[in-house]
Amino acid sequence: ETGVTQTPRHLVMGMTNKKSLKCEQHLGHNAMYWYKQSAKKPLELMFVYNFKEQTENNSVPSRFSPECPNSSHLFLHLHTLQPEDSALYLCASSQESWQDSNQPQHFGDGTRLSIL
Amino acid sequence: TQLLEQSPQFLSIQEGENLTVYCNSSSVFSSLQWYRQEPGEGPVLLVTVVTGGEVKKLKRLTFQFGDARKDSSLHITAAQPGDTGLYLCAGLPGYGQNFVFGPGTRLSVLP
Repeated sequence: ETGVTQTPRHLVMGMTNKKSLKCEQHLGHNAMYWYKQSAKKPLELMFVYNFKEQTENNSVPSRFSPECPNSSHLFLHLHTLQPEDSALYLCASSQESWQDSNQPQHFGDGTRLSIL
Repeated sequence: TQLLEQSPQFLSIQEGENLTVYCNSSSVFSSLQWYRQEPGEGPVLLVTVVTGGEVKKLKRLTFQFGDARKDSSLHITAAQPGDTGLYLCAGLPGYGQNFVFGPGTRLSVLP
């Protein structure tokens, strides 16, 4: 039990579909993150939420739309994705996003997304 | 853009061998973290180093932060199959910024 739960674990969708990824953390953290992990590339930070407010959008295409209704839940809404968007999408949380340089990030096990 | 490089990219060794993997940058980081990611799972934090020259030990793993805070190494003594995984380093450029991740070293320890 990592404390950060992601669903679904696997998702296959067509380019015209609309789907959502869900992340839930049970650690009482105030910051949540979405990362994209592709083969042979570093983890790419996509979005950061701190106290439910989006504090970073790392030049992510608008076909990815995040939502953070409260500090425990984070969603990533997907629509009209491209084949190059196939990757492992990881959610993470930390106590706060900037106040302590030793902030450990707790990761979920990811959603493996495949775009047909 | 601050980049982190990791070497080697892949490493396959026999159980009981020692190994060192490296994390390098031309930029200074205020702190650096090492994570291990096993297949089908998310990364798990192993250690955080914050002081130049700092050495931390976690059982058979020894982590060192370079004096100039631009690089780090991870040494594993007597590797075991349970050490198999992707080792990621992540550097914090400074206060108010987010961690930057390296591409990882994929380690395979054969029994």
